[in-house]
Amino acid sequence: DAGITQSPRHKVTETGTPVTLRCHQTENHRYMYWYRQDPGHGLRLIHYSYGVKDTDKGEVSDGYSVSRSKTEDFLLTLESATSSQTSVYFCAISEGDRINSPLHFGNGTRLTVT
Amino acid sequence: KQEVTQIPAALSVPEGENLVLNCSFTDSAIYNLQWFRQDPGKGLTSLLLIQSSQREQTSGRLNASLDKSSGRSTLYIAASQPGDSATYLCAVPPWGAMEYGNKLVFGAGTILRVKS
Repeated sequence: DAGITQSPRHKVTETGTPVTLRCHQTENHRYMYWYRQDPGHGLRLIHYSYGVKDTDKGEVSDGYSVSRSKTEDFLLTLESATSSQTSVYFCAISEGDRINSPLHFGNGTRLTVT
Repeated sequence: KQEVTQIPAALSVPEGENLVLNCSFTDSAIYNLQWFRQDPGKGLTSLLLIQSSQREQTSGRLNASLDKSSGRSTLYIAASQPGDSATYLCAVPPWGAMEYGNKLVFGAGTILRVKS
């Protein structure tokens, strides 16, 4: 696994509470991504970052915010968790800005919102 | 908007069989297509990346082909083994994705089970 640690690995939370997921990399890669995976949908991009304090929205960004204050850490925050945000969340990193830069994934965080 | 479809959704085969997984995409103006493998409870591992100028890529018992004009790719697995059991996903960059990074649009995946 390409030096990517996601924490926590599992979390159960209640509707309306804020939740923060963490992605930590040891590869010093510039690009980091948050995806969610749901049955029948594959992976969908939530937010991504192209440098410290440089982030942008993906396909399904509503209800999520991100922050990147250090190269190695990319945080995903659910401002007020809803049941529709129950999912498995994956962090990914890539080294370069070329469209063909390989993506490396973490092992995911399973989030359940009750 | 780029959409990616994978057929079949699930496949169960006896060990030793050759098999084909299918991936189709709606916008043929792609830069590349990637195939990933996902084991239960794990992240995705890149298997093969086919550039838009290529027609196929091979890695061991895996061969991926790309036909841009028809919007299709196939992943061929030769002499399947129980260790090949996993979910296989294909992905392409969205149209116009020449800006930052390597954002991808994924199919829902094919769940493969190889029986011993």
